[in-house]
Amino acid sequence: DAKTTQPNSMESNEEEPVHLPCNHSTISGTDYIHWYRQLPSQGPEYVIHGLTSNVNNRMASLAIAEDRKSSTLILHRATLRDAAVYYCILRDWSSGSARQLTFGSGTQLTVLP
Amino acid sequence: GAVVSQHPSRVICKSGTSVKIECRSLDFQATTMFWYRQFPKQSLMLMATSNEGSKATYEQGVEKDKFLINHASLTLSTLTVTSAHPEDSSFYICSASILAGTYNEQFFGPGTRLTVL
Repeated sequence: DAKTTQPNSMESNEEEPVHLPCNHSTISGTDYIHWYRQLPSQGPEYVIHGLTSNVNNRMASLAIAEDRKSSTLILHRATLRDAAVYYCILRDWSSGSARQLTFGSGTQLTVLP
Repeated sequence: GAVVSQHPSRVICKSGTSVKIECRSLDFQATTMFWYRQFPKQSLMLMATSNEGSKATYEQGVEKDKFLINHASLTLSTLTVTSAHPEDSSFYICSASILAGTYNEQFFGPGTRLTVL
């Protein structure tokens, strides 16, 4: 699976939007873009995923660049409970069988009250 | 959403003993389960991939005789750390995969904190 690059850390103020960037310049046409987050001492939690079009769900929005070489996870109103490590992960769906998620170092999001 | 549980949530054991960690998919059948390990302030590292009814596939550098994985049913996989040593102390996380159309969704358990004294 192609590699992703994320900033090590970001800060946000509570109740403000947060834009978490991810670069994946070597993405292939069959790679899905996934975002997971991990709160302290917990397992990762699915946030959102997409292939080409922007995606919205109750947790966040995913904006995917037209060339798919970058994406941005958008938290519309950060809360203290959103403080976590956010992982941007690519995974090839074309094999048809289950494949592991390869975690990078992620972005540590700090939300300031 | 799909729920994956792990038991125990934390365990403390003496060096040389064996510890078994269970991973269960509670409301779905998982053909594939994954075991990850996470050391403090590091990312998750895949240890092995487990398919129901077959032998697990271990990542390079992971000792299969030390980390025994059994995936006896579509809802249960176990990881046994044999002859545990302090360097095995870590956060062990499982995930279970479900096929939704052509897309494999993956759900994670809450993790098991292992401390070896």
